[in-house]
Amino acid sequence: SAVISQKPSRDICQRGTSLTIQCQVDSQVTMMFWYRQQPGQSLTLIATANQGSEATYESGFVIDKFPISRPNLTFSTLTVSNMSPEDSSIYLCSVSSGTGFYNEQFFGPGTRLTVL
Amino acid sequence: LAKTTQPISMDSYEGQEVNITCSHNNIATNDYITWYQQFPSQGPRFIIQGYKTKVTNEVASLFIPADRKSSTLSLPRVSLSDTAVYYCLVSGNTPLVFGKGTRLSVIA
Repeated sequence: SAVISQKPSRDICQRGTSLTIQCQVDSQVTMMFWYRQQPGQSLTLIATANQGSEATYESGFVIDKFPISRPNLTFSTLTVSNMSPEDSSIYLCSVSSGTGFYNEQFFGPGTRLTVL
Repeated sequence: LAKTTQPISMDSYEGQEVNITCSHNNIATNDYITWYQQFPSQGPRFIIQGYKTKVTNEVASLFIPADRKSSTLSLPRVSLSDTAVYYCLVSGNTPLVFGKGTRLSVIA
């Protein structure tokens, strides 16, 4: 298994600003993922972040809005840029136990973002 | 779009067995079926995964018929702490797509 921590756990931000969320894993992993979950809703994948390559973004998400870094096998950051109230959500990172999308994923506790 | 369809909600009394069925008519040959559980204010947690027939672990069983177009998660003797949202997903070479899940409420 993997233990994942996220910082910050929650934040309240003003519109037009940016927030960087950190994800730290206690072991080296190949595949990391960033999700968004609005209150009471399901999870939506933002992007897949593999070390040593550019993140792969899902439809509806772009690098300019959600830049991602993956400097090593235990760490990643997601930045939410030029925020608006519509970006208020819970942002979760996860890691795969293997190299396939079907492998068990371990999720972090999430970062609850409120944009005013 | 989610590749799966499952009931929006279910209620059960403590001590009962709960079966949640998921439809995945367009499952691909290399797709696995995976179930996750999510409690409020937490990230999802892996429960069980299977490819075909039956899989059992310490918390649940997963039944998959031969055509693999559906699957059933079975939770034996549920307790209040099993109240959560349960997600059924199919994935092989593509990222996980979470559907709406099934909100299970266990009643004392």
